Amino acid sequence: GNSVTQMEGPVTLSEEAFLTINCTYTATGYPSLFWYVQYPGEGLQLLLKATKADDKGSNKGFEATYRKETTSFHLEKGSVQVSDSAVYFCALILTPRNNNDMRFGAGTRLTVKP
Amino acid sequence: NAGVTQTPKFRVLKTGQSMTLLCAQDMNHEYMYWYRQDPGMGLRLIHYSVGEGTTAKGEVPDGYNVSRLKKQNFLLGLESAAPSQTSVYFCASSYGISSYEQYFGPGTRLTVT
Repeated sequence: GNSVTQMEGPVTLSEEAFLTINCTYTATGYPSLFWYVQYPGEGLQLLLKATKADDKGSNKGFEATYRKETTSFHLEKGSVQVSDSAVYFCALILTPRNNNDMRFGAGTRLTVKP
Repeated sequence: NAGVTQTPKFRVLKTGQSMTLLCAQDMNHEYMYWYRQDPGMGLRLIHYSVGEGTTAKGEVPDGYNVSRLKKQNFLLGLESAAPSQTSVYFCASSYGISSYEQYFGPGTRLTVT
C-alpha cells in the first residue's frame, strides 16, 4: 500500500545546528509529497510541498527535494532556531485530483535548545 | 477569520458512552476530514466529506459516524465509546480538487476509560 516512513525521534539540537529529518515513501503511482508542522497545542500546518520528481519545496528556511530514484523527501534546514521546536510530519497524496487519501508518517519531534 | 475550530478541546468518557465532536470552518471549503492521531502512527483518516450532505469512509471508520448537514460543519459521533478510541482527533478542511493544502483545527483530546 501507499505509506510514508519517517526517522524516529525525538531529535534534539542546539540552536544554529543543521537539521535533517529523513522521509521515504512507498507508492504505486506518482505521489505529491508534503511536510506538515505541528507546534505545541496546535493543529498541523502545511510547511512545504513538491508535486513531481526533482521539485524542491521550500519555506521558512526549510527545504525538501522530491527524489524519485530514492523515493525520498528529506527535510533540511541549515540553522535551526528555538522556535522551530515542533513535530514534523511527512505526507503523501497519491491521487492529485482527489485529496481525500493523504497518508501521514508517524511524526518526528524536534526540540531545539538555546 | 477563525479558520477551523473544534469543540470540545478535551473530553473523558466512560466505556459505552456516546458523544459528538463538532468541527466548524469559515473558509467556505468543500472538503472536510476527520483524523485520529495516535503515538507512533501519525494521522489516520476516519471519514471525510466532499460537500454538504455527503460523507465517505476513510482508513479507520469503524466505531464512528459523521454528518455534514451544513457546508461549514462536520460532526464526528461515537455511539458507544471504547478504550481503543482514546486518541487525539483532528478536523481539517480544504478547497477540494486540485487543492493539496489541508487546514487543521487544534484537536480534541479524548480519553475513554
